[in-house]
Amino acid sequence: RKEVEQDPGPFNVPEGATVAFNCTYSNSASQSFFWYRQDCRKEPKLLMSVYSSGNEDGRFTAQLNRASQYISLLIRDSKLSDSATYLCVAQTGANNLFFGTGTRLTVIP
Amino acid sequence: DVKVTQSSRYLVKRTGEKVFLECVQDMDHENMFWYRQDPGLGLRLIYFSYDVKMKEKGDIPEGYSVSREKKERFSLILESASTNQTSMYLCASSLWQGGNTIYFGEGSWLTVV
Repeated sequence: RKEVEQDPGPFNVPEGATVAFNCTYSNSASQSFFWYRQDCRKEPKLLMSVYSSGNEDGRFTAQLNRASQYISLLIRDSKLSDSATYLCVAQTGANNLFFGTGTRLTVIP
Repeated sequence: DVKVTQSSRYLVKRTGEKVFLECVQDMDHENMFWYRQDPGLGLRLIYFSYDVKMKEKGDIPEGYSVSREKKERFSLILESASTNQTSMYLCASSLWQGGNTIYFGEGSWLTVV
């Protein structure tokens, strides 16, 4: 079983739509969680950290559910520029980061 | 601004060649990482270093070695390149404590023919 699992997609959504991704993690000792965004043939870049209380950054909302061991990312009012692959990350220690394989999102005009 | 620099962006090497991938970070980070990323497999950790001259094997260290002689520099070495090492290689760094953001370099695309 993979440490972190994501639906690879692709998710094809129209501009302005709301889209949500879930990610499950297997290690209950995971302490920190992140969402990264990766554009085609580019490096991953931090989108947002995920806090226990949930957090929001503009159109993006991240949630953590420790009981069910999943994190989620909600994107409201999708823009064409949101098209990318979204990676979730669970961390159990400084050097124990586990990346999901990514969920591909395409926002269609 | 945070910067992780991978000096070689695109390389084509022959089977059996020795390959060096260099990575430099300017943030005084203790931790440095080398990953490879392949379609459908995501990022897989090759090696990790938490201090100068210190290294730990990741999930797929076979066929690779690393060197960290200075805090800011972490090199990945393919002793004898093979075609199954064709991949995108990503260097990353972070502060020592867990929970800190990991920053990636732009990646090195290696093709072994």
